[in-house]
Amino acid sequence: DIQMTQSPSSLSASVGDRVTITCRASQSISSYLNWYQQIPGQAPKLLIYAASSLQSGVPSRFSGSGSGTDFTLTISSLQPEDFATYYCQQSYTTPRTFGQGTKVEIK
Amino acid sequence: QVQLQQWGAGLLKPSETLSLTCAVYGGSFSGYSWSWIRQPPGKGLEWIGEINHSGSTNYNPSLKSRVTISVDTSKNQFSLRLSSVTAADTAVYYCARVAAVAVYYAMDVWGQGTTVTVSS
Repeated sequence: DIQMTQSPSSLSASVGDRVTITCRASQSISSYLNWYQQIPGQAPKLLIYAASSLQSGVPSRFSGSGSGTDFTLTISSLQPEDFATYYCQQSYTTPRTFGQGTKVEIK
Repeated sequence: QVQLQQWGAGLLKPSETLSLTCAVYGGSFSGYSWSWIRQPPGKGLEWIGEINHSGSTNYNPSLKSRVTISVDTSKNQFSLRLSSVTAADTAVYYCARVAAVAVYYAMDVWGQGTTVTVSS
């Protein structure tokens, strides 16, 4: 299985801050990398697919970059509704593994 | 706008079989793959498996011996069965649509989740 490792596991930030979350794959996955947001009590929501493509309806403050083994999710200006847990997921092969999640909390 | 509505038994005893169904409303069923994912309490997401509209499946090797995912195209539904459950199978189970853009796949529409508890 391809292992996905996110860092940090959690972070505290203020509204307006720029936030960066990283995801590393245990082997090259080209650009087969997705990012999801999960608000407590809700199903995950797709934010970014193919490493850098913004899903329809997702605010442009979210962006993704990277290829191969190292990827980044950036929130350019954190908003109150962005406090959530974020997961990366590889779609290069099955099983389609997720990172352990990064919880973004209010400072 | 496509919506996924899922249902199934929420409380099981050890050794019983988990059975969940997910119905697709407001969108095409064929041409997509369909997936099941679970999330144990307080933990992260685990991919269980997926099926395409023609019935071809892929399963997580960690669950493969106990999992069956099937599709009923006449009803626009797909289902999950997980046999011989234990307390370790306690989780929120989600169904999801797998969308493809060129060669890239992502789960773009999710069901509301079903909490399944395994307890004697």
